[in-house]
Amino acid sequence: DTGVSQDPRHKITKRGQNVTFRCDPISEHNRLYWYRQTLGQGPEFLTYFQNEAQLEKSRLLSDRFSAERPKGSFSTLEIQRTEQGDSAMYLCASPGQGNYGYTFGSGTRLTVV
Amino acid sequence: RKEVEQDPGPFNVPEGATVAFNCTYSNSASQSFFWYRQDCRKEPKLLMSVYSSGNEDGRFTAQLNRASQYISLLIRDSKLSDSATYLCVVNLGSNTGKLIFGQGTTLQVKP
Repeated sequence: DTGVSQDPRHKITKRGQNVTFRCDPISEHNRLYWYRQTLGQGPEFLTYFQNEAQLEKSRLLSDRFSAERPKGSFSTLEIQRTEQGDSAMYLCASPGQGNYGYTFGSGTRLTVV
Repeated sequence: RKEVEQDPGPFNVPEGATVAFNCTYSNSASQSFFWYRQDCRKEPKLLMSVYSSGNEDGRFTAQLNRASQYISLLIRDSKLSDSATYLCVVNLGSNTGKLIFGQGTTLQVKP
């Protein structure tokens, strides 16, 4: 149990469909991060929230992507009109205290066919 | 140039060997540094933080050289269970707290 929960663990979708992922971070952590990881690469930053405010978005986050954190607790990441290039592991993270890095959720593995 | 660069490997070593991984980062303003371990199809997990004074955790030793913008990880007496991908990670220390990951170095320990 990492303390960060993500749902679903796996998602297979047809190209052009919309998908939504959910992240429940460690409770009472104000910040929440979304990353994407493709095969053979390290995780790449997508966006982050401070409470309910989305404060930074990567250029990787095209206009087909939208993220929300409506009550400053859980977050959702939606991808509209999925493309095969969206196939990746989508990771959510809560920051640690001080100099202790992040705790990641188990991720949602998306396959677009 | 990538912000954090690692040799992807793979490094294939026998059990009991000592193996070292290196990493360079481009932003001299980087403030904190980590090594993460990632098993196949799993999420990254924090292995250890890295300090200029060097730090050790059992068989693992991490070192930071700020002048050269270079980070290292040494694994002594490697075990089969050490087989994984090791990610070098940098925090720029900005207000975002954003972490920048290297590509990862794959280690395979053979019996």
